[in-house]
Amino acid sequence: AQSVTQLDSQVPVFEEAPVELRCNYSSSVSVYLFWYVQYPNQGLQLLLKYLSGSTLVESINGFEAEFNKSQTSFHLRKPSVHISDTAEYFCAVLRAGNMLTFGGGTRLMVKP
Amino acid sequence: ETGVTQSPTHLIKTRGQQVTLRCSSQSGHNTVSWYQQALGQGPQFIFQYYREEENGRGNFPPRFSGLQFPNYSSELNVNALELDDSALYLCASSLSKAASQETQYFGPGTRLLVL
Repeated sequence: AQSVTQLDSQVPVFEEAPVELRCNYSSSVSVYLFWYVQYPNQGLQLLLKYLSGSTLVESINGFEAEFNKSQTSFHLRKPSVHISDTAEYFCAVLRAGNMLTFGGGTRLMVKP
Repeated sequence: ETGVTQSPTHLIKTRGQQVTLRCSSQSGHNTVSWYQQALGQGPQFIFQYYREEENGRGNFPPRFSGLQFPNYSSELNVNALELDDSALYLCASSLSKAASQETQYFGPGTRLLVL
C-alpha cells in the first residue's frame, strides 16, 4: 500500500525567506508524485508533478521539488516566499487507476 | 480556473438525511474522481467513475454512491448522513484512467455540514 507523510503540519516563515515543505512516501512500485496547493476556501490546484526523467521539477511560480528515490522523499522548496504563497500544500502519490493518495497537508504561513 | 464546477458551494443537512452533490467536468474528460476532505486533513479518495461505470473505490461504505453522465457531469450521493460526513467534497476530472500521467483537475468543492 502507498502512503504519504507530510512531516510538518504548519510552517511559519517570514516573507522573502526560503522554505522547505517535507514529504515522504512509501511505495513498493514506481511512483508518480504531485504537489497541490489549496488557497483558503478553494479547491486544489496542481503545483508540480514528477512522472519520470529529471528528478528536479519546477513550477511556474518559483517552487521546485526533488524526487529522491533512496530517501523516498519529494520535498518542496522555494528560495524566497511571498505573502501570496500562504496556503495549504498537499503532497500526493498516484496509485494505479489514476487515484491520488494525499498526505495530511502543510499549512505555509508567510509573515510580513 | 480548472474548468471543473461543483454545486452547491455550501449545504447544511441533518443526520439521517440524504444529499446529492454535483460536478461538471471539463469537456472531453471521461474520468471523474470524488474525494472527501475533513477539516484539517488531506483529501481521501471515495471513488472514481470512467465512462459511466465505477472504476475504483476507497474505504467508504456503500451509502456513498455515484453516477456519471454522458455530458461530463456527475453526482455523489450520500444516504443516511452521519455527523462525521461533514467535510469538503471535491471532484476531479481527467482525460483517461489509463494514462497515469494525466493531471486531475479539481473543482472548488462543496462544503457539507451535517447537524
